[in-house]
Amino acid sequence: KAGVTQTPRYLIKTRGQQVTLSCSPISGHRSVSWYQQTPGQGLQFLFEYFSETQRNKGNFPGRFSGRQFSNSRSEMNVSTLELGDSALYLCASSLLGEGVYEQYFGPGTRLTVT
Amino acid sequence: KNEVEQSPQNLTAQEGEFITINCSYSVGISALHWLQQHPGGGIVSLFMLSSGKKKHGRLIATINIQEKHSSLHITASHPRDSAVYICAPTLTSGSRLTFGEGTQLTVNP
Repeated sequence: KAGVTQTPRYLIKTRGQQVTLSCSPISGHRSVSWYQQTPGQGLQFLFEYFSETQRNKGNFPGRFSGRQFSNSRSEMNVSTLELGDSALYLCASSLLGEGVYEQYFGPGTRLTVT
Repeated sequence: KNEVEQSPQNLTAQEGEFITINCSYSVGISALHWLQQHPGGGIVSLFMLSSGKKKHGRLIATINIQEKHSSLHITASHPRDSAVYICAPTLTSGSRLTFGEGTQLTVNP
């Protein structure tokens, strides 16, 4: 099976712009979670989607949004970019198994805001 | 106090040494991942465990749910094990992970 894929892998944007990142989960996985990793804050949970519905949301401003499509692919959008949004954005898809959820991570999208 | 505490933050070892990284958490969890991240690289899940012990090659992970503690052991460490190791409990509600700050491991030849 192909792993989790994320596009683009690298992105440079200017303050005030908006950006859309894409994540394709492992075939058959229905849950996609997004995480932000920065040197200062480490890894933080952004949101989780399951069957096209947002199931959990982390403590991020409304500029961060996401959605999931019927084929389980997910996108996240950041509007009005700030310098502090520079980070590695990771998505992970989950395999439902016996009530616990193993996460499989994609390679990440490195976003630089200038 | 952080929900997840990892120790040590940095660890330098000589090739062949036995390594232990510890993780304590204060929240209710359904499982716990140990993740590995190489410099500039993505994240790989090494283990997901909800009880007892798991072993993959030279890596061993244990968890004690009652004591809210997990350990990752590396036997016969090798320079290619140099990476950041992150403890990531899965919160009881859904798939949401919370994270330790990571342990930077350097194994010298």
